[in-house]
Amino acid sequence: QVQLVESGGGVVQPGGSLRLSCAASGFTFSSHGMHWVRQAPGKGLEWVAFIRYDVSNKYYTDSVKGRFTISRDNSKSTVFLQMNSLRPEDTAVYYCAKDRVSMGFGELDYWGQGILVTVSA
Amino acid sequence: AIQMTQSPSSLSASVGDRVTITCRASQGINIDLAWYQQKPGQAPELLIYDASSLQSGVPSRFSGSASGTDFTLTISSLQPEDFATYYCLQDYTYPWTFGQGTKVEIK
Repeated sequence: QVQLVESGGGVVQPGGSLRLSCAASGFTFSSHGMHWVRQAPGKGLEWVAFIRYDVSNKYYTDSVKGRFTISRDNSKSTVFLQMNSLRPEDTAVYYCAKDRVSMGFGELDYWGQGILVTVSA
Repeated sequence: AIQMTQSPSSLSASVGDRVTITCRASQGINIDLAWYQQKPGQAPELLIYDASSLQSGVPSRFSGSASGTDFTLTISSLQPEDFATYYCLQDYTYPWTFGQGTKVEIK
């Protein structure tokens, strides 16, 4: 069965950095695009970033452009989110999720359990 | 970015009721819209993709439809396990955008 397990969250001061990881299993990781989605406490969902299965395309929401970088290691079935210059408004549960469509663009059909990132002095 | 306006933000309903939730896109998105259900403390789950295709394993009481830039999620007969928050997501163009969410509560 598909499993996505996030790690690397925690408390960081404003201006600091954090690297999230998402280890995948149960599907052909190298054939699926991967996403990060976040949810601030008590708020709705916000799509954050996407990386295509072959790393040919990466996209970001405007509020994280230039600060966050998505990457992946297909040999380790892992996707990463490097977060720099963190702000209090980046505080959220961060979910990784996979594209439903193999080698294409599609919805998010499986999600990890989420990892909390808190940006606070 | 495309704006997704979801309504209502919350609703109260009884078991057995028919429930309708709507999302309106700020521009055309073809049928590139998905619906998700999220329960407290859990990750979202995919219900509907491509506006009206039922995800495998999702009960048939859930359905989706589209008319231009208006999209509807319908629960034909609300069950106790359906009390949750529902979100639409446009996956037509990046950045993808979610609706604000609809919380379905017990009347």
